[in-house]
Amino acid sequence: QQQVKQSPQSLIVQKGGISIINCAYENTAFDYFPWYQQFPGKGPALLIAIRPDVSEKKEGRFTISFNKSAKQFSLHIMDSQPGDSATYFCAASMSNYGQNFVFGPGTRLSVLP
Amino acid sequence: SQTIHQWPATLVQPVGSPLSLECTVEGTSNPNLYWYRQAAGRGLQLLFYSVGIGQISSEVPQNLSASRPQDRQFILSSKKLLLSDSGFYLCAWSVYGRSYEQYFGPGTRLTVT
Repeated sequence: QQQVKQSPQSLIVQKGGISIINCAYENTAFDYFPWYQQFPGKGPALLIAIRPDVSEKKEGRFTISFNKSAKQFSLHIMDSQPGDSATYFCAASMSNYGQNFVFGPGTRLSVLP
Repeated sequence: SQTIHQWPATLVQPVGSPLSLECTVEGTSNPNLYWYRQAAGRGLQLLFYSVGIGQISSEVPQNLSASRPQDRQFILSSKKLLLSDSGFYLCAWSVYGRSYEQYFGPGTRLTVT
């Protein structure tokens, strides 16, 4: 119930295309869903996050779509750029219990020039 | 603004040797602090978290230990390293009461030979 599933494991997109990464969770007690971006040899950086009371959140070229009934959420990167090439992690957490911060296994995105 | 530091950046240690990794946070008081391990190409595994000085909770039984001697200092230790301890160690912090929003340090790459 604590697991967060993430797909695909790797993704190759042409410059200017849309990158889509999907995640699914089981525990309905999760109420905060962040996405992290990690470049090789660096720590993950918080990219964007959503709560289940909204179905979509957009920040620049990055959008989270959230489907509470399906217990799924996804990250969309519009107009993907080579600089977006990184590993992306979805995560799920309960607001009051940071120790229950669960990460997906990650998606390695490569954006071809 | 808040800054999180980790050192060393890289470390190569023989099996059976001790370990001490340090993490400090600047620009905030009484943060929650976390130690994660990331195996190559894998997600993040929470090892320890702390909500205050001297308060440490362990998530995974292993030969590692953590200590928090000061408010913004978090130390990861081992008396005798194993080959399986190799990995990328990440320290993270969150505002007290907002444990669902975690910010990561640059990480330490540990190779046990």
